[in-house]
Amino acid sequence: QKEVEQDPGPLSVPEGAIVSLNCTYSNSAFQYFMWYRQYSRKGPELLMYTYSSGNKEDGRFTAQVDKSSKYISLFIRDSQPSDSATYLCAMSGRGFQKLVFGTGTRLLVSP
Amino acid sequence: GAVVSQHPSRVICKSGTSVKIECRSLDFQATTMFWYRQFPKQSLMLMATSNEGSKATYEQGVEKDKFLINHASLTLSTLTVTSAHPEDSSFYICSATTGNSNQPQHFGDGTRLSIL
Repeated sequence: QKEVEQDPGPLSVPEGAIVSLNCTYSNSAFQYFMWYRQYSRKGPELLMYTYSSGNKEDGRFTAQVDKSSKYISLFIRDSQPSDSATYLCAMSGRGFQKLVFGTGTRLLVSP
Repeated sequence: GAVVSQHPSRVICKSGTSVKIECRSLDFQATTMFWYRQFPKQSLMLMATSNEGSKATYEQGVEKDKFLINHASLTLSTLTVTSAHPEDSSFYICSATTGNSNQPQHFGDGTRLSIL
């Protein structure tokens, strides 16, 4: 079993839709949870990160962590074509060191 | 800010060749750099962690004699794939951080390595 599971997609939605991206994990030692966005032929860029359980909101993006279920989510409101990218979840037991990534979910937002 | 440049972006070479990939932090001092590898349809896998001026720490299953890492300055780390074979073909990507575990990793744009 992989430490981090993520549906590779693609996930296709119309512009303006609410997008839900999810990851599950098996290692209860993970305390730090991140979401990265990766455009084609570019490196991942950090979108949001949370420590332990709870919600965090930044503009159109909301990250949720449910440690009891070992489940994290990223919600994108009012999705835009420019949001089309691959979204990677990553997590670690110690800050931003030794990240364990999901495979990434490819998101396509059509105008 | 926090720009990481990785070069080259694409390499195609013959089996048995050694290939060097450079990772530079352009606007900050990178105390720690990480090297990842990604095979098709798989996740980014950490290969090694390098701290400036120290030997790299390799993850389990990664051959240190095959993947030579040098981090001689605060702005440059290199990964050399020695005597590359077709099974080494992959996407290699570096990241850099100031070394504080509370600071995020900043990623380069990756190198697509193809060994014929």
